[in-house]
Amino acid sequence: AQRVTQPEKLLSVFKGAPVELKCNYSYSGSPELFWYVQYSRQRLQLLLRHISRESIKGFTADLNKGETSFHLKKPFAQEEDSAMYYCALTATDKLIFGTGTRLQVFP
Amino acid sequence: GAVVSQHPSRVICKSGTSVKIECRSLDFQATTMFWYRQFPKKSLMLMATSNEGSKATYEQGVEKDKFLINHASLTLSTLTVTSAHPEDSSFYICSASGREDWYEQFFGPGTRLTVL
Repeated sequence: AQRVTQPEKLLSVFKGAPVELKCNYSYSGSPELFWYVQYSRQRLQLLLRHISRESIKGFTADLNKGETSFHLKKPFAQEEDSAMYYCALTATDKLIFGTGTRLQVFP
Repeated sequence: GAVVSQHPSRVICKSGTSVKIECRSLDFQATTMFWYRQFPKKSLMLMATSNEGSKATYEQGVEKDKFLINHASLTLSTLTVTSAHPEDSSFYICSASGREDWYEQFFGPGTRLTVL
C-alpha cells in the first residue's frame, strides 16, 4: 500500500536550533517525494522535490531508499519557518499526503 | 508561480441544499485539477481527479453522485455538493497542474463549507 507517515504532529524548537521533520513512506515502485508547506492563512505550496536536489529557504531533504525516508532538515531554524509541513508521494497520477507536522519556532 | 483561485471562500447553507464551488487557474492551462477535503488537524484527503473534457476519477469511498465534478475548460473546474448535510461541513481545496509537471500542483486557498 502507498502511504506517507509523518510521526510528529508538532515540533517546537527555538530560533537557531536545527530542525528535522520526519517523513517515511511506503511505495512499491520508484517514488518521487515532495515537501509542501502551508504558512498561517496562506495556501499550500510546494517547498521542494527530491529530484531537484535543491535547497529552498535553507531546507534540504534527501531521499533514503534504504530507510524509505525523506526527512526535511534545516540547520538553523527561523521564526518565519513556523508553518504546517506536509510530505507527499506521487502514486501514478496523484499525490498522497502525510498527516502533516506543525513546526513552531520560538524566538 | 501559477495562481489558482477558489470561489466562494466561505459558504454556509441549509441542510438539503446544493452548493457549488469553483476552482480557476488564472494564468495557466490546467489539464488536471484535483479536489481535496481537509478535516481539522488531519491531512488532505484526495476526493477526485478531473481532466479537462473527461469524467472525473473518484477515490474509493467518495460518492460521485453527491460530489459532482465538472471540468469543462482548461481553466475551470467545479465541485457541487448535492443535498448537503452537516457531515459534509469541511474545508475543500482544489489544486491544478499543467501538461508536463502534473505532480507540481498549485493549490487554491480553499473553501470553508458549513452545513446547518
